[in-house]
Amino acid sequence: AQSVTQPDIHITVSEGASLELRCNYSYGATPYLFWYVQSPGQGLQLLLKYFSGDTLVQGIKGFEAEFKRSQSSFNLRKPSVHWSDAAEYFCAVRATSGTYKYIFGTGTRLKVLA
Amino acid sequence: EAGVAQSPRYKIIEKRQSVAFWCNPISGHATLYWYQQILGQGPKLLIQFQNNGVVDDSQLPKDRFSAERLKGVDSTLKIQPAKLEDSAVYLCASSLRRAGEAGSYEQYFGPGTRLTVT
Repeated sequence: AQSVTQPDIHITVSEGASLELRCNYSYGATPYLFWYVQSPGQGLQLLLKYFSGDTLVQGIKGFEAEFKRSQSSFNLRKPSVHWSDAAEYFCAVRATSGTYKYIFGTGTRLKVLA
Repeated sequence: EAGVAQSPRYKIIEKRQSVAFWCNPISGHATLYWYQQILGQGPKLLIQFQNNGVVDDSQLPKDRFSAERLKGVDSTLKIQPAKLEDSAVYLCASSLRRAGEAGSYEQYFGPGTRLTVT
């Protein structure tokens, strides 16, 4: 069965520091992979996605993610965090057959120190 | 273009009462999803519509939850009767493509309805 693991429930970084949020997935083939961000009281906004091709994908707001097949990982990175990046981040996988449903991780809450 | 609209934004009810949530997806989007997001967890798919047909409702508690998408456009999710454990944010999302079609598969989310059951 598909599953998504985000090992870090909370992460705190200082403004200007680099960031890496971890995501590991379990799926029989290469799924479609996504990162979403959720600000308080808001819906989820897509940051970036991976379907195929170049394993390093660029997203909005200066985020990037790298797909590593051998590690079943899709970690999100940002070289310099801004205070406005404080939010909750969700990794998701989408099956490539069947009902094509999405499975979301439990999320990582990012706190940014001034 | 307008995003996914949901109403109400907040609802407080007592257990055993009923409640309904409404969602209007982005115009032209074929697929509509309802998710339940319990505090501290990721969204969990409750039901997925393709046009006005149900694609996946395997995680919908059918004894108390129901949903419909008449005319393949907006949708209503109902809970009757509500339980304390139904307290959550209910998110609606839509995507342009039908399941299995080539192309973009991003889901666009509405702001959600926060339900508190007391």
